[in-house]
Amino acid sequence: AQSVAQPEDQVNVAEGNPLTVKCTYSVSGNPYLFWYVQYPNRGLQFLLKYITGDNLVKGSYGFEAEFNKSQTSFHLKKPSALVSDSALYFCALNAGNNRKLIWGLGTSLAVNP
Amino acid sequence: DVKVTQSSRYLVKRTGEKVFLECVQDMDHENMFWYRQDPGLGLRLIYFSYDVKMKEKGDIPEGYSVSREKKERFSLILESASTNQTSMYLCASSLPVSMASSYEQYFGPGTRLTVT
Repeated sequence: AQSVAQPEDQVNVAEGNPLTVKCTYSVSGNPYLFWYVQYPNRGLQFLLKYITGDNLVKGSYGFEAEFNKSQTSFHLKKPSALVSDSALYFCALNAGNNRKLIWGLGTSLAVNP
Repeated sequence: DVKVTQSSRYLVKRTGEKVFLECVQDMDHENMFWYRQDPGLGLRLIYFSYDVKMKEKGDIPEGYSVSREKKERFSLILESASTNQTSMYLCASSLPVSMASSYEQYFGPGTRLTVT
């Protein structure tokens, strides 16, 4: 069965420190992986995606994510966190040739000044 | 840029009312989706549509129906609103699978519905 897990409900990090938001997946074929961000009372915004190629993917707002096939992970990272990065982050999976995305439950990121 | 708009940001309805939530996208996307979002439950797919007048049930279709008469518009209908349908409703659209290089979905701002 295909699934996405975000093992941490909440992540706290100090401003200026590096941040990591974790995502692991389970899929039988090649995964297409996505990160979205949701600010309070807003819709989701696309951050970045992995389809194929380079395992390190760069996205919006200075975020990047590393695809690791052996660990079935796609962790979101940023070298230096900003208070404005505080939001809800969702990881999503498409197993290929499928209209739907499979969503993680989200991780709330709090960046403390 | 893709723009997905939803008819209301906030809506308050009474139990038993019929409720219409409207979503419009301006990028000629074939696929459109309705989700509900509740704390701790993430995004749950209610219905999606892959073409005009075509629809498929998602994970939680009970108590909802949808309508897609035009490509750009996808409506979610609560036939008889109940308090357990109080939630944030999110609409999204995406390219068709045959054209999609990446399958990402584009979201509207959401409608926060309260049923009293």
